[in-house]
Order: sequence, then C-alpha cells, then structure tokens
Amino acid sequence: AQSVAQPEDQVNVAEGNPLTVKCTYSVSGNPYLFWYVQYPNRGLQFLLKYITGDNLVKGSYGFEAEFNKSQTSFHLKKPSALVSDSALYFCAVRDRGGGFKTIFGAGTRLFVKA
Amino acid sequence: KAGVTQTPRYLIKTRGQQVTLSCSPISGHRSVSWYQQTPGQGLQFLFEYFSETQRNKGNFPGRFSGRQFSNSRSEMNVSTLELGDSALYLCASSLGEGFTGELFFGEGSRLTVL
Repeated sequence: AQSVAQPEDQVNVAEGNPLTVKCTYSVSGNPYLFWYVQYPNRGLQFLLKYITGDNLVKGSYGFEAEFNKSQTSFHLKKPSALVSDSALYFCAVRDRGGGFKTIFGAGTRLFVKA
Repeated sequence: KAGVTQTPRYLIKTRGQQVTLSCSPISGHRSVSWYQQTPGQGLQFLFEYFSETQRNKGNFPGRFSGRQFSNSRSEMNVSTLELGDSALYLCASSLGEGFTGELFFGEGSRLTVL
C-alpha cells in the first residue's frame, strides 16, 4: 500500500535561516511527488512537483525539493525562511498508473520566528 | 480564470441528518477528487470522478457517496451523519487524462455535526 511519512509534526526555524521539511514515501514504481502548503482555514496550494529528470526541483516562493530515489525521500527546502512561510506543509504521492488518487502525509507545521 | 468553488463553506448538522456538498472545478478540468481533512487523520482520500465515472475510491463507508455531472461539477453526500464526520471536506480538480500535474483545491466545506 502507498504511504507517505512526514516524521516531524512541527519544525521551528528562525527567520533568515535555512529550513528543511522531511518526507519519505513507500510506493511501488515511480510515483509523482508533490508538496502542498495550507494556510489557516484555506485549501491546499501547490508548491512543487517531481515528475522526472533533475533530482532538485524548484517551486513557488523560493522553495525547492530534492528527490532521492535510493532513500525514497523528497525533502522540502528553502535557503532563507520568512515569517510568512509559517503554515502547514503536506508531502504527497500519486501513482503513475492513472487517475488522480493522491496520498498525503500527515503534514508538518512550520513556525518561522522573527 | 475562476478557481475551484465549494459550497457551502460552513454548515452545521445534527447526528442522523444527511448533507450534500457541491464543487465546481476549474473550467476545462474533467477530474474532481474529494478529501476529508481532520486533525487526527489528516487528509484522507474519499473518491475521484472523471467524465462522470468514479475512477478511484478511498476506504470510507457507504454513507459517503458522490457523483459528477456532465459539466464536471461534482457533489458528495453523507447520509446518517455521525459526530466523527465533522471535518473540512476539500474538493480538488485536475485537467484529466495524461496530465502529470498538480491538484487544484477549493477552500473547503467545513462540516460540524452536533
């Protein structure tokens, strides 16, 4: 069965420091990988995706993610955190086999302190 | 271009009642998915519709049902409501077949069951 693990419920970082939000997955084959962000009382917004090619993908708002096939990880990173980055972040996977059923991790709450 | 629209945004029901939630996808999107978000369970996949056909289904009881109309608009229904059905219900749309990209989420319908 497909699963996504986000081992940290919460990540705290000071503004200006680099941030990492971790994600590992367990899926057969080569899934599509995504990161989404959710602000309070809102739906999810797409940040970035890995489909194929370069293991480092760049997305919105200065975020990037590194795909590591051997470790089945897809960690979200940003070189310099902003207070406005504080939100709930979800890692997600989708089978390439058809359909849009997407499995989400439990989410990691990011707090960026000024 | 209008985003995904969900109605109603908030609603309160009592146990045993039923509820219908509506979702209008982005124009041109043919796939609509539904997710239940709760603090304890995170984001759980309910079902996905494409061209009026249910293509994928999550592990929810038969009280949860949905449908998609010819204009791609979708509804989901929950019958015999239970307290545990209190959640944020999110709808997401995508272009459809062959599309490798992300889901586009609405802002959700927050259901409270008393």
